[in-house]
Amino acid sequence: GDSVTQMEGPVTLSEEAFLTINCTYTATGYPSLFWYVQYPGEGLQLLLKATKADDKGSNKGFEATYRKETTSFHLEKGSVQVSDSAVYFCALKQAGTALIFGKGTTLSVSS
Amino acid sequence: DAMVIQNPRYQVTQFGKPVTLSCSQTLNHNVMYWYQQKSSQAPKLLFHYYDKDFNNEADTPDNFQSRRPNTSFCFLDIRSPGLGDAAMYLCATSRAIAGGPGEQFFGPGTRLTVL
Repeated sequence: GDSVTQMEGPVTLSEEAFLTINCTYTATGYPSLFWYVQYPGEGLQLLLKATKADDKGSNKGFEATYRKETTSFHLEKGSVQVSDSAVYFCALKQAGTALIFGKGTTLSVSS
Repeated sequence: DAMVIQNPRYQVTQFGKPVTLSCSQTLNHNVMYWYQQKSSQAPKLLFHYYDKDFNNEADTPDNFQSRRPNTSFCFLDIRSPGLGDAAMYLCATSRAIAGGPGEQFFGPGTRLTVL
């Protein structure tokens, strides 16, 4: 069945460092891809999404490009802030089905 | 602002004592979901409603049930909570449109503690 694999965390960075969180997926057809962020003690917030190959989702300085050839949707940010510390979930969704999440990657940014 | 609201944010119950968690939405979405999220894990879908149609995940324990009396409200009932049911419970909604991306909007969650 469909699945999402994320890099294991935690990821620890200094403020203003470059961030990459890897995400690859296995799916039949053409799923939509998402990144969700979860701040401590809160629910999930949609960070960005892409619905077809080569689409780039972006929000709050974060970007991810839907790469069908490598079945990837890596999350990047050029300069992280302490306020970006959270858990990041990569997810996919096929039409008519629920979201399938990766296991999540914890990001910790220190000043 | 349109949103997904969960009450209470924190719930403490005793082992075996029934508990109900509630979710409401002002987005007028036709699909509502309940997820269970244990510490440091991904959310796990328990069930969802497509309008009034109830869809149970195959591995959702019988101890968990749900009600959706109208479009705006959905309840999660845990009939006899065990220690293993302590978790964050997340409600989400989406508008199911043919060919659409199925974007889900999440509530803030209810953290359940079982004593």
